[in-house]
Amino acid sequence: GQNIDQPTEMTATEGAIVQINCTYQTSGFNGLFWYQQHAGEAPTFLSYNVLDGLEEKGRFSSFLSRSKGYSYLLLKELQMKDSASYLCAAMDSNYQLIWGAGTKLIIKP
Amino acid sequence: GAVVSQHPSRVICKSGTSVKIECRSLDFQATTMFWYRQFPKQSLMLMATSNEGSKATYEQGVEKDKFLINHASLTLSTLTVTSAHPEDSSFYICSATGVEGGDTEAFFGQGTRLTVV
Repeated sequence: GQNIDQPTEMTATEGAIVQINCTYQTSGFNGLFWYQQHAGEAPTFLSYNVLDGLEEKGRFSSFLSRSKGYSYLLLKELQMKDSASYLCAAMDSNYQLIWGAGTKLIIKP
Repeated sequence: GAVVSQHPSRVICKSGTSVKIECRSLDFQATTMFWYRQFPKQSLMLMATSNEGSKATYEQGVEKDKFLINHASLTLSTLTVTSAHPEDSSFYICSATGVEGGDTEAFFGQGTRLTVV
């Protein structure tokens, strides 16, 4: 079956670095998405990876290994406003999105 | 966890016809539902936000008369693509907000692949 796994919750300190992992199993693969979502708001797009490697966008980076079915989102210089849920989603061969349950990230001062 | 069911998962229709997509929250009451559109290998694009019992709020550039959204109950929202054209072919996904473990979270439907021929 198709499945996405990511940790339910993580805690980190302001100014530090945190890595949120995601493993996926899909029928075919057309890319891996990361979204950020604050409570009560719509998710916002963070990154899209379809090739192996690291994509860097400011404080956020996303990594993909297709052979391992693995991705991570790296957040640097954490700020209090980064407290949110982070959603991993993989697109299968039919362009269906398979969503993870989300990782709730708690930032402490 | 909470479940959002979206139906149909795939639909093919002729130009000029209308298509209705349903989004149901199965085990929670969704006060707010979001409708997104996604082109291949691109991010989700928010189309509109709907609140139960009131008119949907559409994002800039989204035609209200073409994409009709109805949120008649706390468990059902529908998106109707009227007078569909091939350029409306896309992936549509809904999400619903609810309370899980005391926190407000959004749960996503499986998505609908619309092909207009």
